[in-house]
Amino acid sequence: QVQLVQSGAEVKEPGASVQVSCKGSGYTFTSYAIIWVRQAPGQSLEWMGWINTGNGDTTYSQKFQGRLTITRDTSANTAYMELSGLSYEDTAVYYCARNHGGLGVWGQGALVTVSS
Amino acid sequence: QSALTQPRSVSGSPGQSVAISCTGSSSDVGAYNFVSWYQQHPGKAPKVMIYDVTKRPSGVPDRFSGSKSGNTASLTISGLQTEDEADYYCCSYAGDYTLIFGGGTTLTVL
Repeated sequence: QVQLVQSGAEVKEPGASVQVSCKGSGYTFTSYAIIWVRQAPGQSLEWMGWINTGNGDTTYSQKFQGRLTITRDTSANTAYMELSGLSYEDTAVYYCARNHGGLGVWGQGALVTVSS
Repeated sequence: QSALTQPRSVSGSPGQSVAISCTGSSSDVGAYNFVSWYQQHPGKAPKVMIYDVTKRPSGVPDRFSGSKSGNTASLTISGLQTEDEADYYCCSYAGDYTLIFGGGTTLTVL
């Protein structure tokens, strides 16, 4: 079945960087874009950016410009989200989702905790 | 870019119908027929319930329906069931390959 499996929880200090992976299976990975969304504790969903998994083109939310990088490895059917310059406000669950039929398939989420 | 506006909470009794609104602008909801709705239970990943304003994915009960008028989209849930109690988020395409989410609505089934 179609699924996205994300890497595990991370604890990072302020100022550090974090990378979360998202491995697709059960479909042709390069046929659909991958979107990254985060959700701070008790807060709404927030769109961060996306990648065209076919050609690698990316678009980022202006909020994260300069410190967000989304990449993909087509040989591994995996997308990556790297966020740098972490602050306490970046503590959140980070989700990847496949863009087909809306955001039709979601990863399980990866909790990133920023703590000193 | 501000989030789309949703009511913080709505409620209804089993069997009743409720509607959740999602108000944006002429740059997002009003400009494109790419509004989707997501259901999220506590501690779980969101699940798409409606996409492209009115389309329902396979497996989603036909009690869920979507519509749009001008800059406001709506999700209607008829024949409320206890398992419908969850948070609901709308999402719209906003041009230039960007997306915007709503602030979320908590549905309580009394």
